[in-house]
Amino acid sequence: EVQLVESGGGLVKPGGSLRLSCAASGFTFSTYAMHWVRQAPGRGLEWVSSTTASSSYRFYADSVKGRFTISRDNARNSLYLQINSLRDEDTAVYYCARDSGDFGGALGDYWGQGTLVTVSS
Amino acid sequence: QSVLTQPPSASGTPGQRVTISCSGRSSNIGSKVVNWYQQVSGAAPKLLIYSNNQRPSGVPDRFSGSKSGTSASLAISGLQSEDEADYYCAAWDVSLNGWVFGGGTKLTVL
Repeated sequence: EVQLVESGGGLVKPGGSLRLSCAASGFTFSTYAMHWVRQAPGRGLEWVSSTTASSSYRFYADSVKGRFTISRDNARNSLYLQINSLRDEDTAVYYCARDSGDFGGALGDYWGQGTLVTVSS
Repeated sequence: QSVLTQPPSASGTPGQRVTISCSGRSSNIGSKVVNWYQQVSGAAPKLLIYSNNQRPSGVPDRFSGSKSGTSASLAISGLQSEDEADYYCAAWDVSLNGWVFGGGTKLTVL
């Protein structure tokens, strides 16, 4: 069974940093592209970042470019999102989602339960 | 303001057929496939339709997708109470080099 479990969210002050993690199981992690998608309270879905299976390509939304870094450790079946210089508008539930292939498939054939990041002083 | 445009709400009675539209541009829907997601309140999103009109295993055939030009549609036939949820469209945008989502449509089953 495919499982994605996010962790690392919490309350952080503006300008602070967090590292989100996504532990994957039930599939060959190293052969799938992965994504981060966020959802601010009461708002819609917003794509944040994607990485191909081998990390050869990484993509970022303009709203997070230069502040967020996506990475993965295929040996540990884990996806990460380093988020720096946090702003109030980064407050959201952050979802880890699997691609149905190595970036050419569908974003999000499986999703984690999300981890909440709250930016507040 | 979302790159893809969806109506904020839709409604129908049990058994009815409803459609939800998603409008984009040549750089996204016009040149790439469209996916649809269902998000029941408080839960993670679920992939409903991929590659414009394909259903993942386990998704009832009451759900169907279509695309024409720079617009796409999700149709739900035989509406059921458990279909009450938020629905989102998404596509890769070749100009932005990223995924774009619609703002979401809240479906109410009356």
